[in-house]
Amino acid sequence: DAKTTQPPSMDCAEGRAANLPCNHSTISGNEYVYWYRQIHSQGPQYIIHGLKNNETNEMASLIITEDRKSSTLILPHATLRDTAVYYCIVRVPDNNDMRFGAGTRLTVKP
Amino acid sequence: NAGVTQTPKFQVLKTGQSMTLQCAQDMNHEYMSWYRQDPGMGLRLIHYSVGAGITDQGEVPNGYNVSRSTTEDFPLRLLSAAPSQTSVYFCASSRIGTDSSYNSPLHFGNGTRLTVT
Repeated sequence: DAKTTQPPSMDCAEGRAANLPCNHSTISGNEYVYWYRQIHSQGPQYIIHGLKNNETNEMASLIITEDRKSSTLILPHATLRDTAVYYCIVRVPDNNDMRFGAGTRLTVKP
Repeated sequence: NAGVTQTPKFQVLKTGQSMTLQCAQDMNHEYMSWYRQDPGMGLRLIHYSVGAGITDQGEVPNGYNVSRSTTEDFPLRLLSAAPSQTSVYFCASSRIGTDSSYNSPLHFGNGTRLTVT
């Protein structure tokens, strides 16, 4: 049973902000939202995670709605190297396993 | 610091053959797991381990065995390969949080591409 819903694909112009949405309407109070990306056929790469406050690191920003039912990953200045599949994951409590859906394929265009 | 190392990178098997996919991490992570990724799809959890001597099943465990004799290593065994097991296999590891925050991200290897003919 899918815990997150993401659009299958998105395009973004190089240099512009990429905003990737994720719905997680059944999220529990102690579950975190994680974002990973997978470039070509490499192993997934961790980007950012959060519980309820907005978070920012050197790669991206994560905006979580007040009701926690959705979130947005923001890449502030997308480059061609940001072309990848982006996965939004809600972490299952009590263990460390993460269930990946199909993700969003982001294509950054020149 | 090598992170998560998977070997081999590529493997071709005939139906019925057995093999072991190796995974090692040098970060002293308690948690390790195996995923498979079929073309155009997300990752699916096969097996995982929360420490030496402890393993458990994920979403798609059938046809695979695992063991965890050390913290560093978590091999995945295919006892009798089938064409349906053609896939890319990823190993991952992370710390296990000591509080309720569950905030340790997974570190992934670069995968083993397996073809079963």
